[in-house]
This record gives sequence, C-alpha cells and structure tokens, in this order.
Amino acid sequence: DTAVSQTPKYLVTQMGNDKSIKCEQNLGHDTMYWYKQDSKKFLKIMFSYNNKELIINETVPNRFSPKSPDKAHLNLHINSLELGDSAVYFCASSPIWGQISYEQYFGPGTRLTVT
Amino acid sequence: DAKTTQPNSMESNEEEPVHLPCNHSTISGTDYIHWYRQLPSQGPEYVIHGLTSNVNNRMASLAIAEDRKSSTLILHRATLRDAAVYYCIRNSGNTPLVFGKGTRLSVIA
Repeated sequence: DTAVSQTPKYLVTQMGNDKSIKCEQNLGHDTMYWYKQDSKKFLKIMFSYNNKELIINETVPNRFSPKSPDKAHLNLHINSLELGDSAVYFCASSPIWGQISYEQYFGPGTRLTVT
Repeated sequence: DAKTTQPNSMESNEEEPVHLPCNHSTISGTDYIHWYRQLPSQGPEYVIHGLTSNVNNRMASLAIAEDRKSSTLILHRATLRDAAVYYCIRNSGNTPLVFGKGTRLSVIA
C-alpha cells in the first residue's frame, strides 16, 4: 500500500493552460503539504494544511490554489501555467500539526513540464 | 534559509561506515535535528531525528554534539542503495521542513 500517492507522475502542458495534481495519503495524518523542487534541486514548502484548513502559504502566486476536500486529500490546481512553474512537485503528510517531533512522509513527486 | 551547513558531496566505499556531518551552530533549545534523504527520482525519505541524546534506528545512528551545534549521521555499512542526497534539518515542529542543499553521497562498489 502506497502511503502518499500523487497523480499524475508526469505532466507536460503548454503555457497558459490550467492543470491539477492530486495527492492522497492513507496514513490517517492530520497535516498535508505541497513542496516544489526546482531545476537546481532546491526543495521548498508551498502550502501546509491541517485538518483541511490552510495553515501556511509561503508567498506562492495566487495562480496556485490548493484544495483539501478531506483530511486524506490535498490537490493542487495551477492556473495560467508559466515556464517557471516547471518543477517536481511533492506532496507530504505528517501526523500532527505543531507537534515538536514528527516525521513527514513524501509522495513520489509529479514532474511538471511547461512548454 | 536552511540554517544548517553540510558538505556538498561525500564518497564512501561499499560496506564501510559513513559519517555525514552537519553544523547548526545557531540551533535553539527547542529545535530537533532531522535527517532526510532523497534517492534519485524519488521523494525525500525520513531517516532519523533527535534532540539531545544520540539516537539509533534500523536505518542509521545520529550522534549529537554535547553543545548541540553539530551532529553526525552515521550509516554503519554503506550500500549502493544508500547513494542519495542527505539533508540535515533543524525544526521546532510548528513550521514545515526547510531543506538546504544537502550532501550528495556516492557509494563506490
């Protein structure tokens, strides 16, 4: 059983299009995240959700809109895609928000290529 | 800002121990030290974490200096499957993980 899964694994699209990436976790965790890993391999947090509520938005353009229909899912919708959005996007989850010691579980990533 | 310093790369022979250093000289009293690794084309994977005492698990050991300004991740017997980028992260729990550049570990057969 995959703990954190993402679909699709690869996404190739043209500038200006709108696309979504889906994430699901079957660990029963309260908190979910989206990270972006750019071409230089830096991994940066984009959003944090706890119990379906947005906790952290790290100055991400409002073209990016996360949606959490329930605790197990956190989807990422991107409007008007730009070349700079090309990256690998990782979803992650952790048991409890704010607990001093916790580990995060990451999905396999979605490689987005904007042409 | 990752607030930790790691060597860009290290190399190890297979079957030998590997010591991956990390400096976190400005660590606060509530910060845990976390280690994650990222294998090629995969998402980051939790390795180990600790606060003050040394920690052991099935994957690795974490040795934390007495002043907590540095730590060392120890892989007891490196295998080819351990080739990855290893990230040392300090975190107090209320914020998401902040990843730096990490250390790229190469394992030679």
